[in-house]
Amino acid sequence: AQRVTQPEKLLSVFKGAPVELKCNYSYSGSPELFWYVQYSRQRLQLLLRHISRESIKGFTADLNKGETSFHLKKPFAQEEDSAMYYCALSLTTSGTYKYIFGTGTRLKVLA
Amino acid sequence: DADVTQTPRNRITKTGKRIMLECSQTKGHDRMYWYRQDPGLGLRLIYYSFDVKDINKGEISDGYSVSRQAQAKFSLSLESAIPNQTALYFCATSDLKWGDTQYFGPGTRLTVL
Repeated sequence: AQRVTQPEKLLSVFKGAPVELKCNYSYSGSPELFWYVQYSRQRLQLLLRHISRESIKGFTADLNKGETSFHLKKPFAQEEDSAMYYCALSLTTSGTYKYIFGTGTRLKVLA
Repeated sequence: DADVTQTPRNRITKTGKRIMLECSQTKGHDRMYWYRQDPGLGLRLIYYSFDVKDINKGEISDGYSVSRQAQAKFSLSLESAIPNQTALYFCATSDLKWGDTQYFGPGTRLTVL
C-alpha cells in the first residue's frame, strides 16, 4: 500500500542552524509530492511542490526516486519557521485517487 | 485566506445524533475534499468530489456521507455519530490549473460524547 513516512514527530534546532525534515514515500509510480505547513493559529497551506522546483521561504525539497525520499531543507533556520510540517503524496492508481499525508513533524526553532 | 470556509467551527454532540458539517468556497475550484485528523496521525481522506456530479469514497468513508449541492458547496454528514468520530475535520479544494495543491479550510472540531 502507498504510504508517507515522517520519522520525526519533533525536531528542535537553534536559530541559524540547518534544518532537514525527512519524508519517505512508498509508491512505485511517478509521485506527485508536496510539503504543507501549519503555523500557529493558521490553516494548513502549501509550502512547495516537487514539480515546481521552487524555493519558498528559503526551503527546498528534492525528489530522490532511488531513495523514495522528498526531504525538506533549509540552510539557516529562523524562529518564524517554527510550525507543523506535513509531507503529502498524490496519486491515481487503478482508477482510484489518493492523497496521502504523513503524520507530520513539529519544528521548533530555538533562539 | 477566507476563500474556504467551514461551519460550524466547533461542535459537541451525543452518540447517535445526526451531524452535518458544511464547506463553502469562493475559489471557483471544481474539486473538493473532506479529511479528518486525529491526534498523532496525518490527515486522512474521507470523500472527494471532482465536480458536482462526481462523488467518490476516500480512504475512510465508513460512517460518513457527503452531498455536493453546488460547485461551491460540499457537506459532510455523520448519520449516527459515534465517539470514535471525534476528530478535527478539514475541507479542501483544488484546481488542476494549480496541479493537485490542496487549499484548506480552518477546520471543524467535532466531539461526540
